Amino acid sequence: DTAVSQTPKYLVTQMGNDKSIKCEQNLGHDTMYWYKQDSKKFLKIMFSYNNKELIINETVPNRFSPKSPDKAHLNLHINSLELGDSAVYFCASSQVQGMSYEQYFGPGTRLTVT
Amino acid sequence: GENVEQHPSTLSVQEGDSAVIKCTYSDSASNYFPWYKQELGKGPQLIIDIRSNVGEKKDQRIAVTLNKTAKHFSLHITETQPEDSAVYFCAASYNNAGNMLTFGGGTRLMVKP
Repeated sequence: DTAVSQTPKYLVTQMGNDKSIKCEQNLGHDTMYWYKQDSKKFLKIMFSYNNKELIINETVPNRFSPKSPDKAHLNLHINSLELGDSAVYFCASSQVQGMSYEQYFGPGTRLTVT
Repeated sequence: GENVEQHPSTLSVQEGDSAVIKCTYSDSASNYFPWYKQELGKGPQLIIDIRSNVGEKKDQRIAVTLNKTAKHFSLHITETQPEDSAVYFCAASYNNAGNMLTFGGGTRLMVKP
């Protein structure tokens, strides 16, 4: 009965390839996020979508393109992968309307670019 | 933008002792301060949070204090247990449409049996 799920859990690919990570939440939340966690464990927001609309884009290269087909899904597509993209990517969701601040995180996708 | 600093980066305590992790933030508009616990191979999980209209909040063995004037907040864990070993993150945000969290750098807590 997973609240926020991501696929795949591990992704190993070569430089220059294009890859996607999928995220789904079954909590009925109106806002979803992507975070990047680097090798030093530092967590940084990448994108935030509220009701399928982009709210935050934190200086992320335009090789990264989030897509929200509906409120329950927020996918991350990455073009022309670079070594520096290697990290763990976390999807999260929250219910912003109604002033509930808690963000629920998925299990993460470990991306390794070789 | 917001900047959150967290100390210490690692903390080792004996089982049963208390642990304290401290964070400072830069943006006085921030009004929400959650603490997350991240176990190995898992996503962060909220353990406690505090809003700017409250100075202290407690939930069993964990408590958080907030000093808005000094712009710092702390996590206190009492009677630590080995299962408390994890990486802990503080964060700060202000209520806007995106609810953007800015995280501290994390504290690796090790509780020795």
